Amino acid sequence: KQEVTQIPAALSVPEGENLVLNCSFTDSAIYNLQWFRQDPGKGLTSLLLIQSSQREQTSGRLNASLDKSSGRSTLYIAASQPGDSATYLCAVRNNQGGKLIFGQGTELSVKP
Amino acid sequence: GAGVSQSPSNKVTEKGKDVELRCDPISGHTALYWYRQSLGQGLEFLIYFQGNSAPDKSGLPSDRFSAERTGGSVSTLTIQRTQQEDSAVYLCASKGLAGTGELFFGEGSRLTVL
Repeated sequence: KQEVTQIPAALSVPEGENLVLNCSFTDSAIYNLQWFRQDPGKGLTSLLLIQSSQREQTSGRLNASLDKSSGRSTLYIAASQPGDSATYLCAVRNNQGGKLIFGQGTELSVKP
Repeated sequence: GAGVSQSPSNKVTEKGKDVELRCDPISGHTALYWYRQSLGQGLEFLIYFQGNSAPDKSGLPSDRFSAERTGGSVSTLTIQRTQQEDSAVYLCASKGLAGTGELFFGEGSRLTVL
């Protein structure tokens, strides 16, 4: 059974700092991995999707990497801003048509 | 539409009443998912529809929960005889058949059972 874990559960950093959020999964046979952002009281916004054949994806100040063999993904946020404050969720899909399995999320607070 | 639309955004009901939550997926998306997010908890998978295939109902927590998808588009999640533990945000997502397989979520329906 696939399980997804995110560490840390919460993180507080000063503005401008670079940071890394971690995601691990127990079954390395994944189809893809997706990172989301969730603001309080809102739905999920897709940030980056990495296919199983890819090693990383980049969008602006965000870079997500994937190491299938070790069952890990990281989300790197460069030059953090207060507007980056949100909960970040990692989710994996085991096959093309299957459901996404989510981690518990990392609650990020960027202090001005 | 431009995005996944859910209604109502907020629903307060009394214990024992039935509720219906609606999801309008992105036009042309063939896959539709329902998830539940309880306070302080992660996202719990409920049900998944893909085209005309039989839905994956493996996440429905009890037989009080059911969902249907009419005409391959709009979906309704029905909770019968609501209980206080059903209070949560119910999130819907859709995915296209082609493309990257990226899921797009709606804003959710917040259900409060008194």
